[in-house]
Formats: sequence, structure tokens, C-alpha cells
Amino acid sequence: QVQLQQPGAELVKPGAPVKLSCKASGYTFTNYWMNWVKERPGRGLEWIGRIDPSDSETHYNQKFKDKATLTVDKSSSTAYIQLSSLTSEDSAVYYCARSGVGYVLAYWGQGTLVTVSA
Amino acid sequence: DVVMTQTPLSLPVSLGDQASISCRSSQSLVHSNGNTYLHWYLQKPGQSPKLLIYKVSNRFSGVPDRFSDSGSGTDFTLKISRVEAEDLGLYFCSQSTHVPLTFGAGTKLELK
Repeated sequence: QVQLQQPGAELVKPGAPVKLSCKASGYTFTNYWMNWVKERPGRGLEWIGRIDPSDSETHYNQKFKDKATLTVDKSSSTAYIQLSSLTSEDSAVYYCARSGVGYVLAYWGQGTLVTVSA
Repeated sequence: DVVMTQTPLSLPVSLGDQASISCRSSQSLVHSNGNTYLHWYLQKPGQSPKLLIYKVSNRFSGVPDRFSDSGSGTDFTLKISRVEAEDLGLYFCSQSTHVPLTFGAGTKLELK
């Protein structure tokens, strides 16, 4: 079965970067786009972008273009999101989600809670 | 960006009731290929969202047939024919016709 494994939490200092991982299993990693979604309490869900693991083509939400960088490691079936220059606005749960037909977010990881604090 | 507007934001129900959630988009969700990429997700407390329905009316694997959707263009409605306890939670509509993908604010289905 499709599984997307994400670390539970990361504590990061303001101004520092963070790189979150999403290890995929149960399907052919390079056959499906991987998405990243941000969730903050009271702010709903925001789509950050997606990456095609077969060739690393990316599509970004313009809002996150200077904040997030999506990459993959095909050898380990792992997707990554790097967030730069973190502020309190970046404290959130970050989900990876595998695409299905028509770019629907068919399978979701459990999410990584990022807390930005000194 | 396409704005997805859900109503109501809270929907108190009794078990066995029928429930309807509306989702309206600020632009047509009909893709140039003729498909409509409107989807519904359910998120329970402490969990990640789970896909329920994709492309307007297709139930995802394992989703019971008491869930259905109707609509076209910019107006869509999710119906739950007989609410069960496992159906309670936060429902989101979402579109993937246009980039960026966008989500509604969510409708909380809860017990009266």
C-alpha cells in the first residue's frame, strides 16, 4: 500500500533554513508527482508546489517561490522541501501528498510540524 | 488564484441524517481537456486529509457509496446520505484545474 513517511516535528531557529523529508513506498516513485501542502490553524490548507520525480520538473505556487525548494532523491524514493529564512509565519504542519489522476492529492503523509522558535 | 467558497462552515447533524456541503469556485473548473478537477477531502482531528471524491463524482478507493457529489462549472455539492460517526470531521473541497491548487476553508461536520 502507498505510504508516505514524514518526521513528526522539527524545531528551527528564526532565520535558519530547514529541509523536510518524505519517504515514499508501495508504488513506483517516479510515476507520480509529489506535492507539498502547508497547514496553519485557522488559515486552512495552502498548496506550495509539486515535483515530478522522474525529471525534477517543478510547479510552484508563486506565493512560495522564494521560500520553498522542492527536490527528490530517486535512489531512496524520497522527496524533500527546503524552506529558507524561517519566521514565525512558517510555523505550520507541512504535508507531502502524492498526485493521482488530474493532479488530485490522492495520498497524504502524516505531516511534519515545524516550529520556529529561538 | 481560484477562490473556493464552502458553505456552511459548520454543519451540526444527528447520526442517520442526510448532510449537504456546498462548494463554489470563483472561476470555471472545466479544464481545456473537458475534465473538471474538483475534489473532496475529509480531515479528522490529529490526522492528515484523506481523499474522498475526485473529479466531481468519482469515489476514491474504499469510500462508501453514501458519499456522492453533483455539480458542474463553478457550483458543487457533496452529499452524505446517512451520516455515521466515522463521517464526522472537517471537509474540504479543492480544485486542481488551475495552478496554484486551492482549497476551501473547510466545513466542520459535527454532532448536534
